[in-house]
Amino acid sequence: DSGVTQTPKHLITATGQRVTLRCSPRSGDLSVYWYQQSLDQGLQFLIQYYNGEERAKGNILERFSAQQFPDLHSELNLSSLELGDSALYFCASSAETPGQIEKLFFGSGTQLSVL
Amino acid sequence: GEDVEQSLFLSVREGDSSVINCTYTDSSSTYLYWYKQEPGAGLQLLTYIFSNMDMKQDQRLTVLLNKKDKHLSLRIADTQTGDSAIYFCAETATSGTYKYIFGTGTRLKVLA
Repeated sequence: DSGVTQTPKHLITATGQRVTLRCSPRSGDLSVYWYQQSLDQGLQFLIQYYNGEERAKGNILERFSAQQFPDLHSELNLSSLELGDSALYFCASSAETPGQIEKLFFGSGTQLSVL
Repeated sequence: GEDVEQSLFLSVREGDSSVINCTYTDSSSTYLYWYKQEPGAGLQLLTYIFSNMDMKQDQRLTVLLNKKDKHLSLRIADTQTGDSAIYFCAETATSGTYKYIFGTGTRLKVLA
């Protein structure tokens, strides 16, 4: 058990809809990453938050947004869903301690199916 | 920009050695990592190497780093069926926008 909790595990929805994926990081970890894993594009970095602030942005579509709350949990919002958004979405957390190697701890993912 | 590439598939026989290769482009990378993803699970850190090292050994795992060619490899000795998984290399860098970039992943299949 990595200590990172993602909910829900599975989500089935229709095109045009909006969904929210939730992530609770490991206790004490300030940094949260979101990744999208699809068969044809591997593991794509979407966005990173650190202690409530956006730290880095990757290949995140404008239809997607994220935030990190004061209790450090994070949510990824996906709107106007398209068939191509079907993928496994992972959250990872890290302590990001200065001077130490940064290890990412991954949740078990949310499998999103857009029909 | 940052890019990390791996071959997609590798098949080996049980008991043989597996070598998974990775190339990266960001010369400012400070650490390079190998993660393992078992079916239905998230990624787990296997091992890592600091950019000023050439080699690191950890039980059955050997990591080799060629900074000149920006090439990283993971060797698994005496490969077992339980090693069947997807292996990702990753890099972090301190220059530019700080990101943790993963490769495409190599699916290792171990044949009994």
